[in-house]
Amino acid sequence: TQLLEQSPQFLSIQEGENLTVYCNSSSVFSSLQWYRQEPGEGPVLLVTVVTGGEVKKLKRLTFQFGDARKDSSLHITAAQPGDTGLYLCAGGKRNRDDKIIFGKGTRLHILP
Amino acid sequence: GAGVSQSPRYKVAKRGQDVALRCDPISGHVSLFWYQQALGQGPEFLTYFQNEAQLDKSGLPSDRFFAERPEGSVSTLKIQRTQQEDSAVYLCASSLSFVDGDRDGDTQYFGPGTRLTVL
Repeated sequence: TQLLEQSPQFLSIQEGENLTVYCNSSSVFSSLQWYRQEPGEGPVLLVTVVTGGEVKKLKRLTFQFGDARKDSSLHITAAQPGDTGLYLCAGGKRNRDDKIIFGKGTRLHILP
Repeated sequence: GAGVSQSPRYKVAKRGQDVALRCDPISGHVSLFWYQQALGQGPEFLTYFQNEAQLDKSGLPSDRFFAERPEGSVSTLKIQRTQQEDSAVYLCASSLSFVDGDRDGDTQYFGPGTRLTVL
């Protein structure tokens, strides 16, 4: 069974602080995606990483895929209240029989 | 709009009732996925279609759950004899293609979900 463990489960920090959330697995994935989900909405894709060691930046968000393609991190610089939401990682494989596996998510709350 | 739509957005059912949840994927998207998301959890895979073919239904929790996509576009997830443990948000996602190895084609676009509450 492939599992994606996300940590921390919950994080509440002050506006302006930096934070990192993690997504770990014992399985190798060909790609890993990060989504953000707001209440009452479906997840929205933020980024896909596919190469071991890859780093992608999206404004104040930095995503990294581990060298072994088993783990990933999301770092947010100078968090803002608009960053509040549920951050989900999902791993996929290049195999038509494999489905994307989601982690349980990190619920982030940025206090103004 | 051009996104994935789902209806109804909210459904309250009495235990034992049958429900049908509809998903309208993005036009032209080949792949369609159904997920179940319990409160405080990430989405869990239920089933997957490529056009009208249901290629994977390994995530359906019981034979009370049934999904179809007869014309390769709109999909319906049906739950028979609903139970309280079926209460969750049911998410639908579509992607352009799943199997061609194209990174962009793999991107899944989610609908807003249907929140099902079984009393």
